[in-house]
Amino acid sequence: DTGVSQDPRHKITKRGQNVTFRCDPISEHNRLYWYRQTLGQGPEFLTYFQNEAQLEKSRLLSDRFSAERPKGSFSTLEIQRTEQGDSAMYLCASTVQGAKGNEQFFGPGTRLTVL
Amino acid sequence: EDQVTQSPEALRLQEGESSSLNCSYTVSGLRGLFWYRQDPGKGPEFLFTLYSAGEEKEKERLKATLTKKESFLHITAPKPEDSATYLCAVQGASGGSYIPTFGRGTSLIVHP
Repeated sequence: DTGVSQDPRHKITKRGQNVTFRCDPISEHNRLYWYRQTLGQGPEFLTYFQNEAQLEKSRLLSDRFSAERPKGSFSTLEIQRTEQGDSAMYLCASTVQGAKGNEQFFGPGTRLTVL
Repeated sequence: EDQVTQSPEALRLQEGESSSLNCSYTVSGLRGLFWYRQDPGKGPEFLFTLYSAGEEKEKERLKATLTKKESFLHITAPKPEDSATYLCAVQGASGGSYIPTFGRGTSLIVHP
């Protein structure tokens, strides 16, 4: 399967714990995005990378969230000291750089539940 | 700031009953408008990219069209398997950003 993969698919944690999610993009894609989606909403942008460089972060992104893409391949998203409001689907998407807007290909998502 | 509004929020159709979903947008310089399909508990699945007013794209029972202010996703003779949430997103050209803005989606249910 050459699509975007995410791990784990589901994560249940207690408030205050740290969690880390992984995303493996399509191999030739140099841009990788993280989104958060709650019920009845569209995906909300969190951050994105071009190769290993983190180019933008949402102004709404708490400093408890951090993301890395150390070798320009897979990426990790860590949430420290989780809160119940962090419960959501976390989506990863990848695309290729281009002058035009290029469609993104999404992974299956990681469903986070904070108790 | 780019904005996307999708309507209706929910749509129920009988199998074979054609209809259209609307995506209204405001953006500074359109780089692209995207349609996605999302099934419950899954990531969005890419359907179409439209770049300029007047452009149209088709795939099976779906046809996407674009004007300077809105896009329509026309569904012809839908089947129950077309039931899903359809998301619209735009990517503007302001500030060199490559961040798409998504609408809240239209939830489509097609009854047999």
